[in-house]
Amino acid sequence: GEDVEQSLFLSVREGDSSVINCTYTDSSSTYLYWYKQEPGAGLQLLTYIFSNMDMKQDQRLTVLLNKKDKHLSLRIADTQTGDSAIYFCADAVPPSGGYQKVTFGTGTKLQVIP
Amino acid sequence: DAGVIQSPRHEVTEMGQEVTLRCKPISGHDYLFWYRQTMMRGLELLIYFNNNVPIDDSGMPEDRFSAKMPNASFSTLKIQPSEPRDSAVYFCASGGQGANYGYTFGSGTRLTVV
Repeated sequence: GEDVEQSLFLSVREGDSSVINCTYTDSSSTYLYWYKQEPGAGLQLLTYIFSNMDMKQDQRLTVLLNKKDKHLSLRIADTQTGDSAIYFCADAVPPSGGYQKVTFGTGTKLQVIP
Repeated sequence: DAGVIQSPRHEVTEMGQEVTLRCKPISGHDYLFWYRQTMMRGLELLIYFNNNVPIDDSGMPEDRFSAKMPNASFSTLKIQPSEPRDSAVYFCASGGQGANYGYTFGSGTRLTVV
């Protein structure tokens, strides 16, 4: 809900770790998501975290949530050229009238340099 | 499951013509969303349905846009008459289980109005 902000661009070398950051404004957010969009394709859900968690790990992906600062990050370990894409952060706020509202950030374009 | 299926993938039309975009959500998903993506405005939610009923159409830009979901397996987004500023990529997405665990996006329809 409200605003979700991300930096527009990140460049890393292959093999390094990437950290993509996101801030959100709605303190009532219940779920937070990371999506990946490759050129010419739709958004693909990578992972999500519930707001009562502070970390979630899934293979090369680590999500960190600082609820106090309303800050979400996605760390990609051992970044590969296939990770080059646009990454969207999104948050969901509790249902209003029974239905939740999801707000997407502007996306961070990750460029991986071989 | 084949995922969310959108057609056509690309559409080029002349200003003033009617355009119909189609979407088949994932079977069993009770939420369906239409988004528009442009460089200038990012990802915008146009409308969403729950159990085939339109819930929030506040993102529909103007009366030229309309969306229907006659059954659980099909939705359309219609623009009549189309204008060059409608040129964008239109995504359909579906979600189940209250859509808490993220959405599945289709590959999108790239619309060009000349």
